[in-house]
Amino acid sequence: GAVVSQHPSRVICKSGTSVKIECRSLDFQATTMFWYRQFPKQSLMLMATSNEGSKATYEQGVEKDKFLINHASLTLSTLTVTSAHPEDSSFYICSASFRVGLNTEAFFGQGTRLTVV
Amino acid sequence: QKEVEQNSGPLSVPEGAIASLNCTYSDRGSQSFFWYRQYSGKSPELIMFIYSNGDKEDGRFTAQLNKASQYVSLLIRDSQPSDSATYLCAVKGFETAGNKLTFGGGTRVLVKP
Repeated sequence: GAVVSQHPSRVICKSGTSVKIECRSLDFQATTMFWYRQFPKQSLMLMATSNEGSKATYEQGVEKDKFLINHASLTLSTLTVTSAHPEDSSFYICSASFRVGLNTEAFFGQGTRLTVV
Repeated sequence: QKEVEQNSGPLSVPEGAIASLNCTYSDRGSQSFFWYRQYSGKSPELIMFIYSNGDKEDGRFTAQLNKASQYVSLLIRDSQPSDSATYLCAVKGFETAGNKLTFGGGTRVLVKP
């Protein structure tokens, strides 16, 4: 399957600081990238949809000024958690999608475990 | 009502048996259906996708889709302890903007030796 690389895999930061997470599609151009958050023992919750060259579309309840998304190219999207607080501690996962024939497939990055202390 | 529903489990299965996982969805216009496996602390990995009614087999996995009943299932034959994980059903709806997937809550599977 296609490779999506997410970095860093783990990060610990102090409350009030900002953290940037990168998501790269290594062997294909992703028309769309998605950012998810997953709390322990819960399913993935979509935070935002990112299209190259345009503003991200945020899901209801997700603060766009707190979770900044930049999709500068067809292979790179970044999520910046600004002024992080302990309640932002979670597993953040990106996904990149591309067309296969008439259908679309999505592949996930390795995820980033964020701990805010 | 949740858009994609799964029994949370755990589904306990003896090694070598068949594990049967179910998923129902509410958007009748849904077009694409995916099964992901997620090990604890790891990111989901795609197992199978299915777009048409009927069965689709890949190795020990079989996905079954019934759009009339808004139901998709996953069978795991000859279950192995390494199959112990959470299985996520995901649906891409016809009416969904972009290509975003809606995930079910996942079913935890435990395969006992």
